[in-house]
Amino acid sequence: AQSVTQLGSHVSVSEGALVLLRCNYSSSVPPYLFWYVQYPNQGLQLLLKYTSAATLVKGINGFEAEFKKSETSFHLTKPSAHMSDAAEYFCAVSFQGAQKLVFGQGTRLTINP
Amino acid sequence: DTAVSQTPKYLVTQMGNDKSIKCEQNLGHDTMYWYKQDSKKFLKIMFSYNNKELIINETVPNRFSPKSPDKAHLNLHINSLELGDSAVYFCASSQLTGGTEAFFGQGTRLTVV
Repeated sequence: AQSVTQLGSHVSVSEGALVLLRCNYSSSVPPYLFWYVQYPNQGLQLLLKYTSAATLVKGINGFEAEFKKSETSFHLTKPSAHMSDAAEYFCAVSFQGAQKLVFGQGTRLTINP
Repeated sequence: DTAVSQTPKYLVTQMGNDKSIKCEQNLGHDTMYWYKQDSKKFLKIMFSYNNKELIINETVPNRFSPKSPDKAHLNLHINSLELGDSAVYFCASSQLTGGTEAFFGQGTRLTVV
């Protein structure tokens, strides 16, 4: 069965530091991969997606992610954290014909001043 | 102009009551979904509809009945509400083809007392 695992339910970084949120997937077929962000009391907003084109994907708000097939990973990074990046981040996977997204358990990102 | 809108945003009700949540999308998408987010922020799909037809029902109790009058609307009716139904319910929509992201509504926070 296809699944997604996010390592670390809570990540805390200082403002200006590198943000690294980890996501690994399990799949027997090529996946489509997504990162979403959820701010408090809001819905989910797409940050970026991988759909078998370039392996390094750039998204909104300065985030990017790299698809590594050999490591079955799709980690999210941002070179310099802003206070406004504090939120819950979800990695998700889907497949051709699957008609649904399967989400990881989420990682809460805290930014320290 | 909101892409995926759901009402109400908050819903507090007593055990045993019946309630409905409405969802509408103006993106022209073929597929609509209901997701449930529990108190630990875990997101799980409940239902998926494509062009008004049910295509995914993820072992959701019969007390939950989705209805899609047209492909722009997907409502969720819940009978005999239980304490365990308390959660945030998200409506989403997407195109059917794999690799396309889902767009989410703002969520309905349901509290059963």
